[in-house]
Formats: sequence, structure tokens, C-alpha cells
Amino acid sequence: KAGVTQTPRYLIKTRGQQVTLSCSPISGHRSVSWYQQTPGQGLQFLFEYFSETQRNKGNFPGRFSGRQFSNSRSEMNVSTLELGDSALYLCASSSTGSGANVLTFGAGSRLTVL
Amino acid sequence: DQQVKQNSPSLSVQEGRISILNCDYTNSMFDYFLWYKKYPAEGPTFLISISSIKDKNEDGRFTVFLNKSAKHLSLHIVPSQPGDSAVYFCAASAFLRAGGTSYGKLTFGQGTILTVHP
Repeated sequence: KAGVTQTPRYLIKTRGQQVTLSCSPISGHRSVSWYQQTPGQGLQFLFEYFSETQRNKGNFPGRFSGRQFSNSRSEMNVSTLELGDSALYLCASSSTGSGANVLTFGAGSRLTVL
Repeated sequence: DQQVKQNSPSLSVQEGRISILNCDYTNSMFDYFLWYKKYPAEGPTFLISISSIKDKNEDGRFTVFLNKSAKHLSLHIVPSQPGDSAVYFCAASAFLRAGGTSYGKLTFGQGTILTVHP
């Protein structure tokens, strides 16, 4: 079956702009989580959505937001971009049937902020 | 405050030998632990997990050991193969305490780059 699909794979933005990233989870997976990976901070949890509701949230400023649609697809948005937002943004999906915290990750969206 | 730490940024091992990757955690609320492997340009992939009610879990060449009193876990790969060369991440969650409401929330370590030489 198809894996987790993230678009776009690469993008370049300038400071102050906003960006929207998209994630299509594995069919049947209702939980979608987002992570930010940077060289200095490693993988950090942004938020998790389940059945269109944000269920958990990490320690990121309000500029980072997300949503989930009825088909479980998810988007995350970063407004007023800063240089420090340059990172790999990873989306992961999971289901109750796959075992606790067994996340299937997408390949990520590489954001560069200039 | 880094709640999950992998103190070795890199590890180099000869093919056929054992690879031991270590991870320490500070949050006593963590009750579920996982290891993920990541190749360049790909997302992390799940390897093996262990809950706090166990102290060992095996899956083929991979074994994870949990020492709750020391807040320490380790991943053993035996025998190591060149294809195992990747970045390994330790992750933790309070999954059991959360009653199954935190499927997607993990706290990751910084990762250890494993290189297995032929």
C-alpha cells in the first residue's frame, strides 16, 4: 500500500513569508503527527491530529499551526518565517492497529528560509 | 532540557561484530521506548520497541534492553551488516499512561550515526 506522501519535497522561502506543507497518510491511518528536524535540535514534535482534532501539541510558537481534513490528510502552516525555521519537516501517520507509537514517516519537506 | 539523550554522535563497527547503541532518559513518566533508523533523504523507519513492563525485546538481529532504574536503554545489532549503516534514533513516550491517546507524540534523542565497515 502507498506510504506517507509529503509535498512539496523542497522549497525555498524568504523571511516573513508563510508556507503550507501537505501530508497524505497511509490509507486507514487516522493519526497524523508532524515533526521538525534540525541539526542542532534533532527531531522535535510539533503536533498530532486525530479525527480532525489536535490531540497533542509540542513546544512551538503559535506561528506553527496545522489542521486535518475528513479524509485524514493534513497540512501544516508556518507564518512569518524566520531563518531558524529552516529544517526538514516530517509527517508521520499511525493507527491503533500498528502498535503504540509505531509511526510511519514520509520522506519530509525540506524548507530553506533565506 | 533534553529528556532523551544519545551521548554518542557516531559509532563505527566491523561487519559481523556487535553494534551497541545507547540511550538515556530523564523523564520518569516515559513508559514506552522505540528505536528508529534513518537513511539520508528518507524518513525514519521503525525498528523495535519495548514497554516499561519488560526489560528485553528481540526481533531477529535486533535486541533492545531497558534498565528502568538507570533510565537507560540500548539497542544491540548482531551481526552488524553494511546495510545497517544509518542514523539511529531512540524515542520515548508516555503512551501507556496516556491511555492510548498519544500515538503520534514521541520525544527523540539526537541520533547516533552507525557505520558498519565491510
